[in-house]
Amino acid sequence: NAGVTQTPKFQVLKTGQSMTLQCAQDMNHEYMSWYRQDPGMGLRLIHYSVGAGITDQGEVPNGYNVSRSTTEDFPLRLLSAAPSQTSVYFCATSQGPAKTYEQYFGPGTRLTVT
Amino acid sequence: AQTVTQSQPEMSVQEAETVTLSCTYDTSENNYYLFWYKQPPSRQMILVIRQEAYKQQNATENRFSVNFQKAAKSFSLKISDSQLGDTAMYFCAFMKAQGGSEKLVFGKGTKLTVNP
Repeated sequence: NAGVTQTPKFQVLKTGQSMTLQCAQDMNHEYMSWYRQDPGMGLRLIHYSVGAGITDQGEVPNGYNVSRSTTEDFPLRLLSAAPSQTSVYFCATSQGPAKTYEQYFGPGTRLTVT
Repeated sequence: AQTVTQSQPEMSVQEAETVTLSCTYDTSENNYYLFWYKQPPSRQMILVIRQEAYKQQNATENRFSVNFQKAAKSFSLKISDSQLGDTAMYFCAFMKAQGGSEKLVFGKGTKLTVNP
């Protein structure tokens, strides 16, 4: 049981490049979310999904795209990377309403945009 | 919108002593959950303790306990018998119980150092 996995662990991009951060879970959780962590800012929600085919925006969605075609995967796409997107990105999953409300976090991806 | 405030950017404590981390929040919701997460240097986010707002009894997990004051919108974390492995960033977080989105709102964190 791998839990929540994220790839890659580290990535360096040039301004304007695009890439996809991968998140996968094997816990059959309904809910998946993407957060970014900046120094002194705590974690902020980018996008989330309450099930396959359903996504919505969080607090800081600009510059990011998501889709959820399967229960297991929730990729985060950077369309045209900017230095302001330099951050650590965390994927999280949870079972859904009326359950434990505990969120399980992946190990994070450190992204640097130059 | 909900906000979470952690007023102590950094704290330190001697091994085996007790330390309390502060957290206040602002919400108009009546039903919600509060969490403390630990982030050690490995970067992994680890749930320490959870409190349901409808429960008056303060949550406890081994050496970790909370002081939940709903009227004051305060949710502090007490760590007893501090250990070197408790050195980490600690984040307070809020989640609405209704709505189904399970969105966490985090504070900015408190960096705790346990000294030998």
